[in-house]
Amino acid sequence: QQQVKQSPQSLIVQKGGISIINCAYENTAFDYFPWYQQFPGKGPALLIAIRPDVSEKKEGRFTISFNKSAKQFSLHIMDSQPGDSATYFCAARQFGGNKLVFGAGTILRVKS
Amino acid sequence: NAGVMQNPRHLVRRRGQEARLRCSPMKGHSHVYWYRQLPEEGLKFMVYLQKENIIDESGMPKERFSAEFPKEGPSILRIQQVVRGDSAAYFCASSPGGGALHEQFFGPGTRLTVL
Repeated sequence: QQQVKQSPQSLIVQKGGISIINCAYENTAFDYFPWYQQFPGKGPALLIAIRPDVSEKKEGRFTISFNKSAKQFSLHIMDSQPGDSATYFCAARQFGGNKLVFGAGTILRVKS
Repeated sequence: NAGVMQNPRHLVRRRGQEARLRCSPMKGHSHVYWYRQLPEEGLKFMVYLQKENIIDESGMPKERFSAEFPKEGPSILRIQQVVRGDSAAYFCASSPGGGALHEQFFGPGTRLTVL
């Protein structure tokens, strides 16, 4: 119930392409879904987040799509750049809760 | 405005020794969270603390691990009698308040290696 399943484990995309990372969850009490970006040797940094009352949120080249009925959400990176190469984690937090539940991560490599 | 600070950044211990990991939250933040990241895995919640109080320790192993956040000074995650399985990256995050309204800001982590 507490798990967040993330796929794919790794992803290679050509520069300018679209990177898509998917996550699924079971716990319907989750009500906050952030995405984190992590570079080697660094801590995770919040990229973009969504709540279940909207189906999509866009910030620059980054978009979250959220499907409440399917209990799935995804991150789309448009016009992917080599500088986007990093590990991406989806996460979820329960309503009224404090701890984040993370997916296993996706290693993204953007080839120039 | 400095971010979350963690030290040491790298820590090597032999089996049976103690490890002390420190976390200084961002200025104005009174809530601290500790997460552990095993190789090629996501972060796993360990413990949530406010000043002088442990709020949620549901992710802490029952033995050898303890955490504190004193009124003055950094939060400390303490691992006694370390074993090889404790080798991981330990991340601290802080927020100005608890619950759904506040983002957690992560530090750079402490990478613990147990020989």
